[in-house]
Amino acid sequence: EVQLVESGGGLVQPGGSLRLSCVASGFTFSDHYSDWVRQAPGKGLEWIGRTRNKPNSYTTEYAASVEGRFTISRDDSKNSLYLQMDSLKTEDTAMYYCASYDTNGYPMGYWGQGTLVTVSS
Amino acid sequence: AIEMTQSPSSLSASVGDRVTITCRSSQGIRNNLGWYQQKPGKAPNFLMYGGSSLQSGVSSRFSGSGSGTDFTLTINNLQPEDFATYYCLQDHSFPLTFGGGTKLEIK
Repeated sequence: EVQLVESGGGLVQPGGSLRLSCVASGFTFSDHYSDWVRQAPGKGLEWIGRTRNKPNSYTTEYAASVEGRFTISRDDSKNSLYLQMDSLKTEDTAMYYCASYDTNGYPMGYWGQGTLVTVSS
Repeated sequence: AIEMTQSPSSLSASVGDRVTITCRSSQGIRNNLGWYQQKPGKAPNFLMYGGSSLQSGVSSRFSGSGSGTDFTLTINNLQPEDFATYYCLQDHSFPLTFGGGTKLEIK
């Protein structure tokens, strides 16, 4: 069974930092690109970034709203994806999902259940 | 950034109905489009890609079409489990962008 399990969410003050993790199982995580997507309360989905796989040098892409503040990384030996979030703002409050290409090569074919980040003083 | 416009933003329908959701991109994206279903309090679920390539395990009542700038998701013979919010996603170019969503409600 394919699973993506996020962790690391919580309450943080504006200007603070948080690191989210996502552990994959049930498929060959290292083969695939992975993304982070967030959803503010009552709002739609917002893509925030992608990491490519080793053959593509683990390069990353970011949305403008998080560029320079958020960093995506991965550790294929641990089947894990990470999102380092710095200089957090109240508008970063959202449910954060990790997602990966699936074995058919479709983007965001697999999703985690999400982890909630609340930025508030 | 490519803007994805979904319509309608909400839709009321009855069990057994056929509904169509439209997604339009602000520039051509070939067939680099995915459809996702999200139920309240749950993570999104991937339905199909490339306008029409259905994910394994997804009901054949779902179908898609389109290429370029205009795409549709059609659900035939609506079932109670289909009432959800649907999103399109373009992954033709960065930043990736989602449509605003279409909330499908029971009439």
